Amino acid sequence: DAGITQSPRHKVTETGTPVTLRCHQTENHRYMYWYRQDPGHGLRLIHYSYGVKDTDKGEVSDGYSVSRSKTEDFLLTLESATSSQTSVYFCATKDTGELFFGEGSRLTVL
Amino acid sequence: GEDVEQSLFLSVREGDSSVINCTYTDSSSTYLYWYKQEPGAGLQLLTYIFSNMDMKQDQRLTVLLNKKDKHLSLRIADTQTGDSAIYFCAESREGGADGLTFGKGTHLIIQP
Repeated sequence: DAGITQSPRHKVTETGTPVTLRCHQTENHRYMYWYRQDPGHGLRLIHYSYGVKDTDKGEVSDGYSVSRSKTEDFLLTLESATSSQTSVYFCATKDTGELFFGEGSRLTVL
Repeated sequence: GEDVEQSLFLSVREGDSSVINCTYTDSSSTYLYWYKQEPGAGLQLLTYIFSNMDMKQDQRLTVLLNKKDKHLSLRIADTQTGDSAIYFCAESREGGADGLTFGKGTHLIIQP
């Protein structure tokens, strides 16, 4: 267990509102990731970070932004949530090999 | 491009062996992983294999890798009800900062 905490774990919001999901790690891992999981699509990479203030886009980055001001925190922001962003979001971290996952944040956009 | 394919469902009887298959396309893959996801939880690493190996065994789990055919399998011996979960195959490249590429996951259903 890599000490990954996601917050909030559940959120219901309305279309057009901003949403921020937080990922906090205690293992000092260099790499951090945000994935979304949807039925029929598996896990898809949204954004990732390879160091403080160093981030890059993943496969499904449109509509999302990220920030990493400290090693331990990686924020995912939906500037204006849409119903297509209803999903379960997973944060993951990596040091040199495997990915360690958080428990997930379930977001529902009405 | 990178792509990882798995069948979506597998149904087995309790006590039988389960074999979950995966194919991948990236010949530069260095590690291949199997993750398990139980309902409402995150993914947990089950096992992994380095690309220069062809087999790895860990208690009830056996991983077979056919690098020529880019085929990976996970065999679970004596399948139990607690093995019911989604199993994800994933690949990585050496030095790859962009994480792992995952298959869509195989739902393992255990029949009594």
